[in-house]
Amino acid sequence: DSGVTQTPKHLITATGQRVTLRCSPRSGDLSVYWYQQSLDQGLQFLIQYYNGEERAKGNILERFSAQQFPDLHSELNLSSLELGDSALYFCASSAGPNVFEQFFGPGTRLTVL
Amino acid sequence: SQKIEQNSEALNIQEGKTATLTCNYTNYSPAYLQWYRQDPGRGPVFLLLIRENEKEKRKERLKVTFDTTLKQSLFHITASQPADSATYLCALHSGAGSYQLTFGKGTKLSVIP
Repeated sequence: DSGVTQTPKHLITATGQRVTLRCSPRSGDLSVYWYQQSLDQGLQFLIQYYNGEERAKGNILERFSAQQFPDLHSELNLSSLELGDSALYFCASSAGPNVFEQFFGPGTRLTVL
Repeated sequence: SQKIEQNSEALNIQEGKTATLTCNYTNYSPAYLQWYRQDPGRGPVFLLLIRENEKEKRKERLKVTFDTTLKQSLFHITASQPADSATYLCALHSGAGSYQLTFGKGTKLSVIP
């Protein structure tokens, strides 16, 4: 158990809908990262937050957004969902500056029908 | 463009032998390189981190080498066991301050009893 929690574990929804994925980092970790993993693309970095502020952006679509709250939990919002958004979404956390290993949560499996 | 390649999608090895996995990269000057293990449907688990000024790192039966001239890292598992069967991911960190990781697509290792 990495100490990172993600909810929900599974999500099934329809095209055009909006969903919110939630992540709680390990106790004391200030950085949160979001990744998307699909069979053909591998693990793709989406976005990073550090202590409430956006720190880095990767291949995140404009339909997707995220935020990190004062209690350090994070939410990833996916809107106008398309079939191609079906994937595993992982959250990871790290302590922050000068600590580089990331601890991943169990993931949320999103299925868009 | 930046590219990370892990030598093969799948590797089968006999129990007790040494497994060697390769990670090659181009158009990158990573400050750090990490290896993660991922089991099906689960989040990646951090294994080892090696810095650009380190040639080799060991942890129990695991060994990682990092050759910045060849732009290559080798990951070895000695005395392999069926429990080592998993997908192993190489990840590069540019050291640019964002702590963003870019992952390879992974090598699926199967250790045959």
